[in-house]
This record gives sequence, structure tokens and C-alpha cells, in this order.
Amino acid sequence: SQQGEEDPQALSIQEGENATMNCSYKTSINNLQWYRQNSGRGLVHLILIRSNEREKHSGRLRVTLDTSKKSSSLLITASRAADTASYFCATDPNTGNQFYFGTGTSLTVIP
Amino acid sequence: DAGVIQSPRHEVTEMGQEVTLRCKPISGHDYLFWYRQTMMRGLELLIYFNNNVPIDDSGMPEDRFSAKMPNASFSTLKIQPSEPRDSAVYFCASSPGTKLYEQYFGPGTRLTVT
Repeated sequence: SQQGEEDPQALSIQEGENATMNCSYKTSINNLQWYRQNSGRGLVHLILIRSNEREKHSGRLRVTLDTSKKSSSLLITASRAADTASYFCATDPNTGNQFYFGTGTSLTVIP
Repeated sequence: DAGVIQSPRHEVTEMGQEVTLRCKPISGHDYLFWYRQTMMRGLELLIYFNNNVPIDDSGMPEDRFSAKMPNASFSTLKIQPSEPRDSAVYFCASSPGTKLYEQYFGPGTRLTVT
């Protein structure tokens, strides 16, 4: 399967702490995206990192990409209760036009 | 723009019945994707279209599933006959392009087949 895998499956932290989620994938990619899904809602795009980039920032989000290890991490700093959601990585293999979504990390931020 | 619109939001049907899910993509987006999400299998790509043409339907589980896109503003996913194992949340997403573009997801249709 080309599907990515997030780690951990579930994460619970206190408000104000940082949350780190990891994504590992199997095939060479062009780009990697992170999405958030609130309970009962559709996925919302957070950030895209290209294969030639190593780090990218967007507000409280920091994404790293290590193509040699086929892995990416998403760091949410100074977490808030509103960050409670599931987070998915989506990998874009070199062939085809579709993205493959990982299994997701369920993040709970306790107020 | 109202975003990707899906209908119905919830569907409960009996096994053997035909189910039709509908999607209106964001205007101007050339790509439309249908996904299925379950606890066991996560988010699976079923099929995607480019300019109304199906490009890859390898994710469609079996012949009971079919999808159409008669025009740029409308797509349907049909299940006939439906089975309890089809119970899932079905998402439609659209995108202005590939690879470098994010996908915009609809709110999903929660399907329950009893």
C-alpha cells in the first residue's frame, strides 16, 4: 500500500503544550500535505511541503520532511482546545495524480 | 463560494436498496474525488475525475458501485444494491489541479445500511 501511516494513533496533551505527529510513507513522493478533520466534518488542508523542501511553517504549525527516511512530522505549538481533531498526512507518489491519505492521529487537547 | 456541497448529509437505507450520493464541486475546479471513510480502513480513494472524465476508478470496491460526472458542476456516486458493509462516510473533494494543489472536502454523507 502507498498509504502513509501516522504515529501515534492517539495523543492527549494539556492546553499550551506542543503536539508532534509523525507520518511515514513507502514510495518516493512529489509532495506531502497535512490535513485536519474535526469530528463529523470533512478534511481541511493545513499545509503542503514539496519534496525539495525540508521545513515549512504556517502560524503555529511546523512541518518537516525527510525524504531519505520517508517521513514527515507536524508540530503544533502552544496547543489550544480548538486543535482537538484528527490529523492526516497525504502523500503524492511520483505516479498518478491522486493523494493517498494516512491512518490519522487523533489529537485531544485538554483545557 | 459555498465550498463543496454534498447531499444528503445522512442516509439510512435497507440492504438491497439503491443509494445515490450527490456532489457539487467548487466552480472552476477541474478535479473531483470520491472517498470513503471507515474506522477499519481509514480514508480510501474510490474514484477521481478530471474535466468530467473518470481517470482512475481502481478504488471502487466492486461493480455495485458506479460514479458519474455528467457536467462540471455535478457528480453522483451510486450503490446498487447496497449492503451493510457499505456503511461509511462518503466524502467528495474537488481541486483546481493536481499534486501541488490542496483538495477541498465536502461535509460528507453518512450512509447507514441496515
